[in-house]
Amino acid sequence: EADIYQTPRYLVIGTGKKITLECSQTMGHDKMYWYQQDPGMELHLIHYSYGVNSTEKGDLSSESTVSRIRTEHFPLTLESARPSHTSQYLCASSEEAGYNEQFFGPGTRLTVL
Amino acid sequence: AQSVTQLDSQVPVFEEAPVELRCNYSSSVSVYLFWYVQYPNQGLQLLLKYLSGSTLVKGINGFEAEFNKSQTSFHLRKPSVHISDTAEYFCAVSDRAAGNKLTFGGGTRVLVKP
Repeated sequence: EADIYQTPRYLVIGTGKKITLECSQTMGHDKMYWYQQDPGMELHLIHYSYGVNSTEKGDLSSESTVSRIRTEHFPLTLESARPSHTSQYLCASSEEAGYNEQFFGPGTRLTVL
Repeated sequence: AQSVTQLDSQVPVFEEAPVELRCNYSSSVSVYLFWYVQYPNQGLQLLLKYLSGSTLVKGINGFEAEFNKSQTSFHLRKPSVHISDTAEYFCAVSDRAAGNKLTFGGGTRVLVKP
């Protein structure tokens, strides 16, 4: 079944740790996105990719980085987590052509102590 | 740049009552329109979409929305809500003039009361 996966679903870590949030999709989509969402708030686009070896920063400045070495995989990394990074991170994907209907993963809720 | 406004941040409603969530967008040139629902601690799930054709769009879970080009609106409705409809709802617009960039509204929290 075609889907989009995120791991871990929940993560609690201490300040200064390096973390990687995983996102994988089995739909063969070229475009992938990372959004940051505080509880009950709107979504902010922080990174996107239009294909392998293509990454761009989104509308909201973020200290995180992303990579796109394989079509299906779009991990997000924080080199040194801080309490201000506490948030929910949502990954999405869409087809290259068409109207940009985005399919979302279940999200990772990150808490930095 | 495209902007999307959801006029109500919270909508309390009693079970079995109708609900309408309002969404207005700024550019009417060439757009695709979406409504997503987000249940607690989950990602976004597509409720319905308008691409072309009939301005009344039916989606999952009994929801429908009407595209009004002259008023640049895409309001979401359900004639009778259930407790399980308690969630956050996001309107989104894909702007063809901007390479189909997807812009989200701020969200409307629906709280269904028994």
